[in-house]
Amino acid sequence: EPEVTQTPSHQVTQMGQEVILRCVPISNHLYFYWYRQILGQKVEFLVSFYNNEISEKSEIFDDQFSVERPDGSNFTLKIRSTKLEDSAMYFCASSVSSGQSNQPQHFGDGTRLSIL
Amino acid sequence: GQQVMQIPQYQHVQEGEDFTTYCNSSTTLSNIQWYKQRPGGHPVFLIQLVKSGEVKKQKRLTFQFGEAKKNSSLHITATQTTDVGTYFCRYLSNDYKLSFGAGTTVTVRA
Repeated sequence: EPEVTQTPSHQVTQMGQEVILRCVPISNHLYFYWYRQILGQKVEFLVSFYNNEISEKSEIFDDQFSVERPDGSNFTLKIRSTKLEDSAMYFCASSVSSGQSNQPQHFGDGTRLSIL
Repeated sequence: GQQVMQIPQYQHVQEGEDFTTYCNSSTTLSNIQWYKQRPGGHPVFLIQLVKSGEVKKQKRLTFQFGEAKKNSSLHITATQTTDVGTYFCRYLSNDYKLSFGAGTTVTVRA
């Protein structure tokens, strides 16, 4: 069964540094998402992406965050200047069609980001 | 504004017993999904409910969408240790924001 893959599985970064989290969505999926989950808390939506542009973003997704689809397979989340509170598990997800129709999303295993 | 509560937050169940988790909204939901997240894992899609009063079953799991489409429940019968994890509802709010509920974390004692 096709899977969403994320790399790295764990990223340790100094506060203030830039970090890029990488995802390879399922190949025939058109909609891509990033979520984060702070330890012990619920999954929080960050951003959705379709047709090479952001379709929706949450209040969490401020100017320090950006997303990109640099080629036909990768989908990246960049955090420009990391803060301690950015420490969390970051999940990438993809779906065949629009999130507004609430299509099932397939999640990757996540990248655990630890900011020191 | 819309309020969606997922209850209970924690459920400690004796193996073999049944339990139910609920997502209750103050406003009508267009549809609702349920996900399961094992400890240390990622959310995995379980089911989607769309119609008023809809009931779907997956083996020991029964999912229900209320007649008013404001409430949804997940009922697990004869709990097993493999049921351990956090169960989230995911819904499309009336301002078209996708959100997860806070989750019900289930532990099982053998």
